[in-house]
Amino acid sequence: GIQVEQSPPDLILQEGANSTLRCNFSDSVNNLQWFHQNPWGQLINLFYIPSGTKQNGRLSATTVATERYSLLYISSSQTTDSGVYFCAVTWGKLQFGAGTQVVVTP
Amino acid sequence: DAGITQSPRHKVTETGTPVTLRCHQTENHRYMYWYRQDPGHGLRLIHYSYGVKDTDKGEVSDGYSVSRSKTEDFLLTLESATSSQTSVYFCAISDSWGQSAEQYFGPGTRLTVT
Repeated sequence: GIQVEQSPPDLILQEGANSTLRCNFSDSVNNLQWFHQNPWGQLINLFYIPSGTKQNGRLSATTVATERYSLLYISSSQTTDSGVYFCAVTWGKLQFGAGTQVVVTP
Repeated sequence: DAGITQSPRHKVTETGTPVTLRCHQTENHRYMYWYRQDPGHGLRLIHYSYGVKDTDKGEVSDGYSVSRSKTEDFLLTLESATSSQTSVYFCAISDSWGQSAEQYFGPGTRLTVT
């Protein structure tokens, strides 16, 4: 099956800092999603981004499907950005990466 | 937010007892999914449904069964719960299948089997 790798596995940020999370996948896909799992366990859809760039407030994402990676940018991080960020690709079924644990400190 | 609810939200049960988790959606989406989330394993697909009474197995289906008698409801049953089934269970929905499908997740059910 398809392999989905996320890096880094952990990230500690000071409030106000910027960061980039990466998602690599091993095969061509036409569907990539980014999710945020908040400290209460809720999975929140951030982006559906098979290719190109999208922005939503302080978050943006870019997928380069031909090179098999996607990036999630967090700008001016806030404590509410803490949690785990997952990317997931559909290759038949939805395959999740292991996630990046983000902690934003005041 | 997609209209997805799960019940119960928390449950503690004993080994060997049957347990049923319910997922209810108000979006009229055709496809529904059950996942479990465990430390070190991420989210793994248990079963999915592609229509009323149409279901199929995911990658970790042993010990689980599902039913879908109405578009809006998808039930996950543990016939005889084991401690290895202690997990957080998420339901998801989508209005299409495969590579064009964007999935939306419910709030999750935390199940503890003692």
